[in-house]
Amino acid sequence: DAGVTQSPTHLIKTRGQQVTLRCSPKSGHDTVSWYQQALGQGPQFIFQYYEEEERQRGNFPDRFSGHQFPNYSSELNVNALLLGDSALYLCASSSLKVSQVTDTQYFGPGTRLTVL
Amino acid sequence: AQSVTQLGSHVSVSEGALVLLRCNYSSSVPPYLFWYVQYPNQGLQLLLKYTTGATLVKGINGFEAEFKKSETSFHLTKPSAHMSDAAEYFCAVSERRDDKIIFGKGTRLHILP
Repeated sequence: DAGVTQSPTHLIKTRGQQVTLRCSPKSGHDTVSWYQQALGQGPQFIFQYYEEEERQRGNFPDRFSGHQFPNYSSELNVNALLLGDSALYLCASSSLKVSQVTDTQYFGPGTRLTVL
Repeated sequence: AQSVTQLGSHVSVSEGALVLLRCNYSSSVPPYLFWYVQYPNQGLQLLLKYTTGATLVKGINGFEAEFKKSETSFHLTKPSAHMSDAAEYFCAVSERRDDKIIFGKGTRLHILP
């Protein structure tokens, strides 16, 4: 059973560019959450997607947007990149199906984004 | 608003000694509490969680934590440290099982030979 997968593993961009990160949830999970982990800090919640809709959002600007596909995979898009966007971006999956609600989020290995 | 405070950004213990990582939380509702571990250049792995019921929670790799409501604490312990325990540990809280998770800033555990 594959866990949460993310691609790419590493990415280097320059200021002002746009980036798309991808996440495939654990098998049987329907909910994807994205977190940003700056160097030396704990992860911070960006947003959560369920049934292809943004369900919750943290304190991140509109430059951060996302999408969830019918197969539950998800993308995180960041526009107009800033140096401060350099971080490890973590995806976590869980399930909100009534019959399978989980109280645990399973994390992927992350995508390391460097903005120069 | 929920928050987590981890006391000590770095903790060093000798191999075979007791590991104690401290965590205090703030929550307006009964919390869900978690400890995650992160090894270098990897994602987060769940060590253990408290949702309801027994306040002493056992996790993987010999770790356990006790939920103390009166102290708003959820400290992580392990009786005997191994070199392989060296990693970053994050305490976290959420309000509901499907809610966003609020993380502490982390504690880096160093194991001395």
